Amino acid sequence: KAGVTQTPRYLIKTRGQQVTLSCSPISGHRSVSWYQQTPGQGLQFLFEYFSETQRNKGNFPGRFSGRQFSNSRSEMNVSTLELGDSALYLCASSLVTPLNEQFFGPGTRLTVL
Amino acid sequence: TQLLEQSPQFLSIQEGENLTVYCNSSSVFSSLQWYRQEPGEGPVLLVTVVTGGEVKKLKRLTFQFGDARKDSSLHITAAQTGDTGLYLCAGATGNQFYFGTGTSLTVIP
Repeated sequence: KAGVTQTPRYLIKTRGQQVTLSCSPISGHRSVSWYQQTPGQGLQFLFEYFSETQRNKGNFPGRFSGRQFSNSRSEMNVSTLELGDSALYLCASSLVTPLNEQFFGPGTRLTVL
Repeated sequence: TQLLEQSPQFLSIQEGENLTVYCNSSSVFSSLQWYRQEPGEGPVLLVTVVTGGEVKKLKRLTFQFGDARKDSSLHITAAQTGDTGLYLCAGATGNQFYFGTGTSLTVIP
């Protein structure tokens, strides 16, 4: 069974631009969670989607948004990029809820210049 | 503000030594997970503990959940170079996971 895939793996943007990251969960998994990982703040929860609906949301500004499609694939978008948005963005998929077990993708490394 | 504090933050030991990593919080968690993350990869789940006082063993790794479900520890016996990585604890409260600050372990051959 294929694991969680994320595209692209690396991305370089400049301040003020926007970016869209993609995540394909493990086949059959309906829950997708997004996390931001930085050296200073560690791994922080962004939001979770289940059956195309945002079920939980972390404490991030509205510039961070996401969506989930009917095939469970998910995208997250960051608008008006800031230098502090440079991070590893991780996607994790679960059958129903991440509280039981979640599988992480390799992440997308975003650098904002 | 981090809900979960891990200690130590960095650990460098010789192969064959034992070590313990701690994960502490003032909050109560319904469950707690431990992950290991290697460079360029996402975290990989090692174990989930749900009952206060629970102890789980995974080969040379022993995980313990505190009686009050506020803290946890990970003990590695006879560390190997393959144990090198970033160890993360994550506590579930409500419908979210809160990750710890991480412990970067380096095992020197």
